[in-house]
Amino acid sequence: GENVEQHPSTLSVQEGDSAVIKCTYSDSASNYFPWYKQELGKGPQLIIDIRSNVGEKKDQRIAVTLNKTAKHFSLHITETQPEDSAVYFCAASINTDKLIFGTGTRLQVFP
Amino acid sequence: DTAVSQTPKYLVTQMGNDKSIKCEQNLGHDTMYWYKQDSKKFLKIMFSYNNKELIINETVPNRFSPKSPDKAHLNLHINSLELGDSAVYFCASSQAQNSPLHFGNGTRLTVT
Repeated sequence: GENVEQHPSTLSVQEGDSAVIKCTYSDSASNYFPWYKQELGKGPQLIIDIRSNVGEKKDQRIAVTLNKTAKHFSLHITETQPEDSAVYFCAASINTDKLIFGTGTRLQVFP
Repeated sequence: DTAVSQTPKYLVTQMGNDKSIKCEQNLGHDTMYWYKQDSKKFLKIMFSYNNKELIINETVPNRFSPKSPDKAHLNLHINSLELGDSAVYFCASSQAQNSPLHFGNGTRLTVT
């Protein structure tokens, strides 16, 4: 079955700097790659997603890139702000309802 | 008007007890899920229902029994609770396959 690895597990950046989180997946049939942000005491919230027919997608300060050949995708957050501090999860699925999540990255943005 | 709501938010109980967690979504979605998040924050799917029918059951012990009375509700009943069941349980819903999941805020279950 699908396996998703995520790095780093923790990431600390200064406010205004960029943050990059990377994920790799094992099943080349995966075709949907969402990213979720989880704040303390809350459920994960979708922040951006990408499908396998697209290499890059951007939404304001957030962008995701997908390399299907290498089977990895990345989340890029520019001009980080303290409110970006949270746990971020990548996920992958093979056109089913079964999302496989990465192990999470705790991002801390220091003022 | 929370989109995916689950109750209770916290549940503390003793080993051997039976407990239920309720979930409701008002998004009109066809598919609902239960995910378990352990102490290391690892999120793993347990069940998925589409229009009240079970479509995913991920090697979860028989002590866990989901029930979907209608497509807006998916409840989780757990029998004979064990210490290892302690976790945060998240309900989620989605419009269709490969559609974004909308999560509830979780139920923190503590088994003592």
